[in-house]
Amino acid sequence: KAGVTQTPRYLIKTRGQQVTLSCSPISGHRSVSWYQQTPGQGLQFLFEYFSETQRNKGNFPGRFSGRQFSNSRSEMNVSTLELGDSALYLCASSPIPSGGGEQYFGPGTRLTVT
Amino acid sequence: AQSVTQLGSHVSVSEGALVLLRCNYSSSVPPYLFWYVQYPNQGLQLLLKYTTGATLVKGINGFEAEFKKSETSFHLTKPSAHMSDAAEYFCAVSDRTGNQFYFGTGTSLTVIP
Repeated sequence: KAGVTQTPRYLIKTRGQQVTLSCSPISGHRSVSWYQQTPGQGLQFLFEYFSETQRNKGNFPGRFSGRQFSNSRSEMNVSTLELGDSALYLCASSPIPSGGGEQYFGPGTRLTVT
Repeated sequence: AQSVTQLGSHVSVSEGALVLLRCNYSSSVPPYLFWYVQYPNQGLQLLLKYTTGATLVKGINGFEAEFKKSETSFHLTKPSAHMSDAAEYFCAVSDRTGNQFYFGTGTSLTVIP
């Protein structure tokens, strides 16, 4: 089976712009979770989608949003980018809701905000 | 809510020495426990997991971890460090009910030749 894929792998944006990141889970996986990773804050949970419904949400401002499509692919959107949004964004998939077992991670999207 | 504590954000060992990375969790019931490894500019890769059964779990690349309920710990060990083991290691727990995954803050392992 193909692994979790994330596109694009690298992205440079300017403050105030918006960005959309994409995640394709492993075939058959219905749960997709998003994480932000920065050197100072480590791995921070953004949100999880399961069968097109948001199950959980981390403590991030409303500028961060997501959605999941019927084929389980997920997108994450960040509006009005700030310098502090520069990070590695990781997506992870699992066949069941994330707390029920292991997650499989993609390679991440490196976002740089200038 | 669950929480995960990884003692030591940076650990250095000599090549060939024992690797010990510490992880403690807080939970009223034994959770599922995981160790992940992250190499530079890559995603996280599962090293090993404990869900039920034998408390000593063997993973990839010669790593193993032991679930100790009385100590609420799940420390990761490897008898002999290799240069290729240099990476960031994350301990994670989930509460078995499908609610959420919780990650520790990570431990950066340096292997000295």
